[in-house]
Amino acid sequence: DQQVKQNSPSLSVQEGRISILNCDYTNSMFDYFLWYKKYPAEGPTFLISISSIKDKNEDGRFTVFLNKSAKHLSLHIVPSQPGDSAVYFCAASAMRETSGSRLTFGEGTQLTVNP
Amino acid sequence: ETGVTQSPTHLIKTRGQQVTLRCSSQSGHNTVSWYQQALGQGPQFIFQYYREEENGRGNFPPRFSGLQFPNYSSELNVNALELDDSALYLCASSLSRDGYTFGSGTRLTVV
Repeated sequence: DQQVKQNSPSLSVQEGRISILNCDYTNSMFDYFLWYKKYPAEGPTFLISISSIKDKNEDGRFTVFLNKSAKHLSLHIVPSQPGDSAVYFCAASAMRETSGSRLTFGEGTQLTVNP
Repeated sequence: ETGVTQSPTHLIKTRGQQVTLRCSSQSGHNTVSWYQQALGQGPQFIFQYYREEENGRGNFPPRFSGLQFPNYSSELNVNALELDDSALYLCASSLSRDGYTFGSGTRLTVV
């Protein structure tokens, strides 16, 4: 039962262009969504988050959009830079869960930004 | 802040053996979570500890157990290792919902 899905295993974009990474979820109890970036041999690093009461959150080059009716969120990176090349994970949590703030992750999308 | 450190970085064990993985949480973080990341997949929640008590568990059998200590360190113990336990094990400490800080992980190989 994959509650968070990232359907694109990989994405390749040119430097300076926009990168759009997508994520779908099925559990309507999720009310908080996060994006993490992971380089090889390192742990995931928090990028940006969004609460279900919002539909957009922006932090510098990174913007996350949430469409609750479609149970879909996306991460936009603009302009993309070669240093952005990494695996990006979408994650979700439900405050009302009794099991603490567990994160449910998607499978990840490998982003490659070409110079 | 010292970040989250995990040891060892790599480990090879034989099927049926037991293993203990260690994590030193970020100072002041009273919640620690453990995740298993198999190759090509996202991290899967194993369990979480809050103030030294288990505070939630994912879909993992009882042979996966843990401990959290007052000095912010924690352990993940896995008994009767199986080949499918081969994965990257990540420890994360937190104070808030987006305050997770992950360690670099321990790569466990079961042969």
